[in-house]
Amino acid sequence: KQEVTQIPAALSVPEGENLVLNCSFTDSAIYNLQWFRQDPGKGLTSLLLIQSSQREQTSGRLNASLDKSSGRSTLYIAASQPGDSATYLCAVRSETSGSRLTFGEGTQLTVNP
Amino acid sequence: GAVVSQHPSRVICKSGTSVKIECRSLDFQATTMFWYRQFPKQSLMLMATSNEGSKATYEQGVEKDKFLINHASLTLSTLTVTSAHPEDSSFYICSAREGQLHEKLFFGSGTQLSVL
Repeated sequence: KQEVTQIPAALSVPEGENLVLNCSFTDSAIYNLQWFRQDPGKGLTSLLLIQSSQREQTSGRLNASLDKSSGRSTLYIAASQPGDSATYLCAVRSETSGSRLTFGEGTQLTVNP
Repeated sequence: GAVVSQHPSRVICKSGTSVKIECRSLDFQATTMFWYRQFPKQSLMLMATSNEGSKATYEQGVEKDKFLINHASLTLSTLTVTSAHPEDSSFYICSAREGQLHEKLFFGSGTQLSVL
């Protein structure tokens, strides 16, 4: 059974700092990994999707990497801004789980002005 | 990007009543929709997967008679919480995927259900 873990659970940084969020998964047989952002009381916004054959994806100040063999992904946020404050979730679609995504519990990020 | 609309955003009801939550894909046809439940400060737990025109597939431990899912068209899925109890109070989120080849999931804005 796939398990997804995110570290740290919470992170507080000053504005302008670069930061890394970590995601690990136990079963490396995955189709893809997706990073989401969730604001309080809201749904999820997809940030980046990495296919199993890819090593990284970039969008603006965000860069996500994937090391499938070691079961790890990182989300790098450059020059953080207060508007980046949210909970960041990673989710994995495993080869054995069909359409289902397995979510981590998220990292709650606070960027202080 | 694709838009998924979910209504209502918040509902308060009395124990024993039924509540219907709608999830619509506004600019694409969603062959598959997913319903999740999220407790405070916890991650999303998949409740069921629905495919247009067929019965929903429920995850282990989810009562299908309590959480009725209907996916009658390619743009609409509904979740009905029947005979709601206070322990059903939670944040419910739907998501939709366009076809099999488009891997990204698009999420609704969620529904906060409070059962008194």
